[in-house]
Amino acid sequence: QSALTQPPSASGSPGQSVTISCTGTSSDVGDYNYVSWYQQHPGKAPKLIIYEVSKRPSGVPDRFSGSKSGNTASLTVSGLQAEDEADYYCSSYAGSNNYVFGTGTKVTVL
Amino acid sequence: EVQLVQSGAEVKKPGESLKISCKGSGYSFSTYWIGWVRQMPGTALEWMGIIYPGDSDTRYSPSFQGQVTISGDKSISTAYLQWSSLKASDTAMYYCVRLQKYCGGDCPGAFDIWGQGTMVTVSS
Repeated sequence: QSALTQPPSASGSPGQSVTISCTGTSSDVGDYNYVSWYQQHPGKAPKLIIYEVSKRPSGVPDRFSGSKSGNTASLTVSGLQAEDEADYYCSSYAGSNNYVFGTGTKVTVL
Repeated sequence: EVQLVQSGAEVKKPGESLKISCKGSGYSFSTYWIGWVRQMPGTALEWMGIIYPGDSDTRYSPSFQGQVTISGDKSISTAYLQWSSLKASDTAMYYCVRLQKYCGGDCPGAFDIWGQGTMVTVSS
């Protein structure tokens, strides 16, 4: 299975919004509502911020939101803050207990 | 506290074997799938495979099938990732992850707990 496609980078000023896309196929993103998103700061392990397309784990700010249309999922970070500067990865279920990650997007807060 | 604690960094030579570990605590280890994720230096996360410690049911990503072996020992709440013959291209950070199934039953999930990572360096 191929990695899901994300833009390499995205940026915004503090207080603005940034949206990251995650494009897969009809065998993964398009077939299942099991897309999750992870935030990774430099030198740290990733952290789950969105599961099942649009749900937030306890403790994740509501500035983070997710959606999906067809084979493309999206993560929106509203009201950007300095601590949101990180790498973001999407992931999708791909059938038969297999998963696939995205290529990753580096978010810069200007 | 729910956590996954991984074994320490390793430096190996090409052709050597290696087994790294991931110990769970703070929850019922046997009843959650544990996965492994590779991150080569400066690159993206890659899904390697997953094991259910309760019965050792194991699945591999097609990209890693035959390249690594995933195993587990539920009696000591530990999962393993091993190589029989390392290559320089195996140099990477390896994370173990817990799969949380939010539906409460048999459905896909998301990786809610991550180990701290084990850095494996393979160099002659």
